[in-house]
Amino acid sequence: DIQMTQSPSTLSASVGDRVTITCRASQSISSWLAWYQQKPGKAPKLLIYKASSLESGVPSRFSGSGSGTEFTLTISSLQPDDFATYYCQQYNSQFTFGPGTKVDIK
Amino acid sequence: QITLKESGPTLVKPTQTLTLTCTFSGFSLSTSGVGVGWIRQPPGKALEWLALIYWDDDKRYSPSLKSRLTITKDTSKNQVVLTMTNMDPVDTATYYCARSNHFGVVIVPFDYWGQGTLVTVSS
Repeated sequence: DIQMTQSPSTLSASVGDRVTITCRASQSISSWLAWYQQKPGKAPKLLIYKASSLESGVPSRFSGSGSGTEFTLTISSLQPDDFATYYCQQYNSQFTFGPGTKVDIK
Repeated sequence: QITLKESGPTLVKPTQTLTLTCTFSGFSLSTSGVGVGWIRQPPGKALEWLALIYWDDDKRYSPSLKSRLTITKDTSKNQVVLTMTNMDPVDTATYYCARSNHFGVVIVPFDYWGQGTLVTVSS
């Protein structure tokens, strides 16, 4: 089974900050990685697929990069609506989610 | 407009079998490349993928839960059903269904989600 880790687990930031979240896979997953945003009491929302492809309707301040085993999600300028928990997910072999990164207000 | 909605019991007893139904609209599970999956989330914890069924009836299961899960589809009713046997209090979670799609060689996982349904396992 492919295991996913994320760092940090919690990130405190201010509006306007550049935010980077890292996701690592236990073995190579090529570019088969997605990022989701989840707010309390709501279903996750797909942000990025295939490591760097922006889902339709997602603001361009979100971007993804990486391949193999190391990936990043970057929010170029954090907005009030972006305070949430972010999950990575590999889909190279079945599906595995990371443990999540909570982005809260500094 | 694509929508998915989960339905089923909110409370089950330990050792019972859980049956959840995902009813969707706006797409067809007979279209090449389309799949519907189940994901759960215990309160305050991370997401966990459970199962997925594709348009061609190919079925995939989480290795850790495979022995307890069955996923089926009824294309005519636009429904996907998940059964999970031998329920335990640790299975208490919000259960989501979500659509997966392929565009040629590009896979887009879980682009549309249901609102989720909370299932509590308690005697």
